[in-house]
Amino acid sequence: QLQLQESGPGLVKPSETLSLTCTVSAGSVRSSNYYWGWIRQPPGKGLEWIGSIYYSGTTYYSPSLKSRVTISVDTSKNQFSLELRSVTAADTAVYYCARHPGTGVGNWFFDLWGRGTLVTVSS
Amino acid sequence: SFELTQPPSVSVSPGQIASITCSGEKLGDKYACWYQQKPGQSPVLVIHQDTKRPSGIPERFSGSNSGNTATLTISGTQAMDEADYYCQAWDFNTVVFGGGTKLTVL
Repeated sequence: QLQLQESGPGLVKPSETLSLTCTVSAGSVRSSNYYWGWIRQPPGKGLEWIGSIYYSGTTYYSPSLKSRVTISVDTSKNQFSLELRSVTAADTAVYYCARHPGTGVGNWFFDLWGRGTLVTVSS
Repeated sequence: SFELTQPPSVSVSPGQIASITCSGEKLGDKYACWYQQKPGQSPVLVIHQDTKRPSGIPERFSGSNSGNTATLTISGTQAMDEADYYCQAWDFNTVVFGGGTKLTVL
């Protein structure tokens, strides 16, 4: 059964870059049927979409984060990654990677999620 | 920008029907989906494309979407359904989540 697993530092200093990787197991990030996304959730708050990527490299970003975010894919490692630059305490959150079945109308729903990883921004 | 609004909390007695609403401009013209999230766990998709239940989701979960409001209905609510519920839709290549509703089963 396909699984997603987030990994990366749990602590990042203000003004630095947050970097996370999502490893796809028992499946392929090269699947033509799916996009791969990042969603975050500040402690005690709601969900916020960060962006999504297709294995070809096509990306979609949240307008509110677009200037600070890069999502990339490494098909050789079966991984996709998130970089969030110039972080502040407001970027402290649980970061989830997830899968959605494409970008056609009606396909923007996340049917498989990783377990999430807490990233704290603090000096 | 497109926004989705949910009530912060809903309470229901065991065995009764729980309804959670999600409001957004012309939401009925888009597809809505719903996630259940229990404390310390990842969200789980319970409804997609307005009315479709993923495999493994109990039949007591159903959805509808018309006008400006999407609704998640849980029939015969059980204690295990106590959780946070989030609606989500897509608008011009942007994913939008509602603020979430805490469902309490009293």
